[in-house]
Amino acid sequence: DTEVTQTPKHLVMGMTNKKSLKCEQHMGHRAMYWYKQKAKKPPELMFVYSYEKLSINESVPSRFSPECPNSSLLNLHLHALQPEDSALYLCASSQQLTGHPQIYGYTFGSGTRLTVV
Amino acid sequence: QKEVEQDPGPLSVPEGAIVSLNCTYSNSAFQYFMWYRQYSRKGPELLMYTYSSGNKEDGRFTAQVDKSSKYISLFIRDSQPSDSATYLCAMHQGGKLIFGQGTELSVKP
Repeated sequence: DTEVTQTPKHLVMGMTNKKSLKCEQHMGHRAMYWYKQKAKKPPELMFVYSYEKLSINESVPSRFSPECPNSSLLNLHLHALQPEDSALYLCASSQQLTGHPQIYGYTFGSGTRLTVV
Repeated sequence: QKEVEQDPGPLSVPEGAIVSLNCTYSNSAFQYFMWYRQYSRKGPELLMYTYSSGNKEDGRFTAQVDKSSKYISLFIRDSQPSDSATYLCAMHQGGKLIFGQGTELSVKP
C-alpha cells in the first residue's frame, strides 16, 4: 500500500457545525502532515506530527484541532469555521529517501475539498 | 521577498515541445530541491529530487540545480498532453517543505 487515503473527498459545512477530516496511511511513515491549499496557490503547512506527537503548529487558529490516534491515522477536527477556511485540505506522510538522510519523500493524499457556508 | 519564487504561468506549449520550468530561492542553506507535479483535484506527487548542484535525469525529465545562482530548473522533453498539470518546486528545511507558487502547464495536442 503506497497511498495516503483521505475522507471525505468533499465536505460542505455550516459555520456552526463540527466535522472531522480523516487521513490514513499504511506505509509505516512516522511523520504526518496537514496542509491547506487555496485555488492556484501552493500548499501551506498547518501541522506536523512526528511519532504521533505534535511537533509543528504553524500558528493555526484553534478552530482547527489535529489529532493523531496512532501511527497510521491523522484527524483534523473542525469547529466554528469561517467561509475563508474553504480550501483543499491535504494530508501527507513522509519517510527519508534512501541515501539521503535529509531528504524526505512526501506522499500526499488527494485531499478533502471543504466548503464552509 | 519570498524564500522561493516561481512564475505561476500559465504556460501553454504544443505537444512535443521542450518545457523549461524555473525557480529561484533566497536561502543559501537550502541543499535539497524537489519538483512536485499536481494534477487537477489531486494532491502533489514527488517527481524528482536533487541534492546540491548538478543535473539529474529521469526519462523525459531533467532537474538542474545551480547553487551559485540560487536557481533550479525542470526540463521536460517531448512534452505530452498528459504532462498538463501544475509543477511546484520545493525545498526541504527544518522538517518543512517550502513550496514555490507553482507553474500551471498546458500541453496542447
